Amino acid sequence: NAGVTQTPKFQVLKTGQSMTLQCAQDMNHEYMSWYRQDPGMGLRLIHYSVGAGITDQGEVPNGYNVSRSTTEDFPLRLLSAAPSQTSVYFCASRTWYLSSGANVLTFGAGSRLTVL
Amino acid sequence: DAKTTQPTSMDCAEGRAANLPCNHSTISGNEYVYWYRQIHSQGPQYIIHGLKNNETNEMASLIITEDRKSSTLILPHATLRDTAVYYCIVRVTGGGNKLTFGTGTQLKVEL
Repeated sequence: NAGVTQTPKFQVLKTGQSMTLQCAQDMNHEYMSWYRQDPGMGLRLIHYSVGAGITDQGEVPNGYNVSRSTTEDFPLRLLSAAPSQTSVYFCASRTWYLSSGANVLTFGAGSRLTVL
Repeated sequence: DAKTTQPTSMDCAEGRAANLPCNHSTISGNEYVYWYRQIHSQGPQYIIHGLKNNETNEMASLIITEDRKSSTLILPHATLRDTAVYYCIVRVTGGGNKLTFGTGTQLKVEL
């Protein structure tokens, strides 16, 4: 049981390049999400998905695309990278414990992206 | 979801209890209090949650005031490995998908 796996851990891009950050979970969680974290700031929600085939926007969706073709995978695409997208990106999946009301997110280790 | 207020930073001596406060004065009756922490450069980690009653697990204790307008996360015997940013989040369980993290409290545990 690996939890939430993100790749790559580090990436350097030039302005205008495209790339995909991969996220996979093996916990059969329906809900998955992407956050970005900039220095001195909390995590900001980019996109999320409540199940295969369903995605929606978070707080800061501009410049990012997502898709959810399987329960396990939730890739984040940058179509034309900009320096403002330099950040650390975290993928998370969520489970609900109905007996206790817990709504618990499990995060990946993060992907550090630098756009020059 | 209700807004939370936390101190920007706190220090604690190793082996002592770390008490991290959180103010959530606008909390509504069906909103839970969640705590996560983020150790440097790692993904956030769930710690504990509660609704009305005090809660304890292997990581920490959560004390919620009777009026539910504030809470305290207690790490009973802080170690250097507890140095992290601690996030207090209030939200309706099962309601909505936009879990919002603020800037949290930077806890520094020192020798």
